[in-house]
Amino acid sequence: GDSVTQMEGPVTLSEEAFLTINCTYTATGYPSLFWYVQYPGEGLQLLLKATKADDKGSNKGFEATYRKETTSFHLEKGSVQVSDSAVYFCALRTNAGKSTFGDGTTLTVKP
Amino acid sequence: GAGVSQSPRYKVAKRGQDVALRCDPISGHVSLFWYQQALGQGPEFLTYFQNEAQLDKSGLPSDRFFAERPEGSVSTLKIQRTQQEDSAVYLCASSPPSYEQYFGPGTRLTVT
Repeated sequence: GDSVTQMEGPVTLSEEAFLTINCTYTATGYPSLFWYVQYPGEGLQLLLKATKADDKGSNKGFEATYRKETTSFHLEKGSVQVSDSAVYFCALRTNAGKSTFGDGTTLTVKP
Repeated sequence: GAGVSQSPRYKVAKRGQDVALRCDPISGHVSLFWYQQALGQGPEFLTYFQNEAQLDKSGLPSDRFFAERPEGSVSTLKIQRTQQEDSAVYLCASSPPSYEQYFGPGTRLTVT
């Protein structure tokens, strides 16, 4: 079945540091890939998405590129802020049905 | 506009009680999903509706779990004879005919 594996946390960085959170997947067919963010006390929010190979999703300074050859969708940001502290989930969706999520990576950014 | 809403936001149930969790999707979204999120884990799929039709219920963990969406809008997830392992956050998401799902804030269920 489909699965998503993401980098274990927690991750602690200083403000303005470079962020990478690794995500790899296993899926049948051609999935769409997503990163969701969950801020403390809030629900899941879509951060960015990519629907086909080599697409790059970007939002709020975050980027991820759909790499079919390595089945990866790593999340990056060049300079993190304290306000980026949250839990980040990688997910895939293979048709109009269910999404499969990773276990989440907790990011803490210190001033 | 209004997002996905869920009620109640918090529910405490004694073991053996029945509970009903409600989801109001974004108006016009034909697809509706239920997920279960245990502490420290990612959401796990439970079931999926397209309009009023339940197209996939492969994730429901037992026959104590039942979901319905009779008019293709509001959905209810019912858990009968709750057990401690049912304690989790239950998330609802709705989706237009694209791949983007919009999540509600969740209902945190605690079974004592």
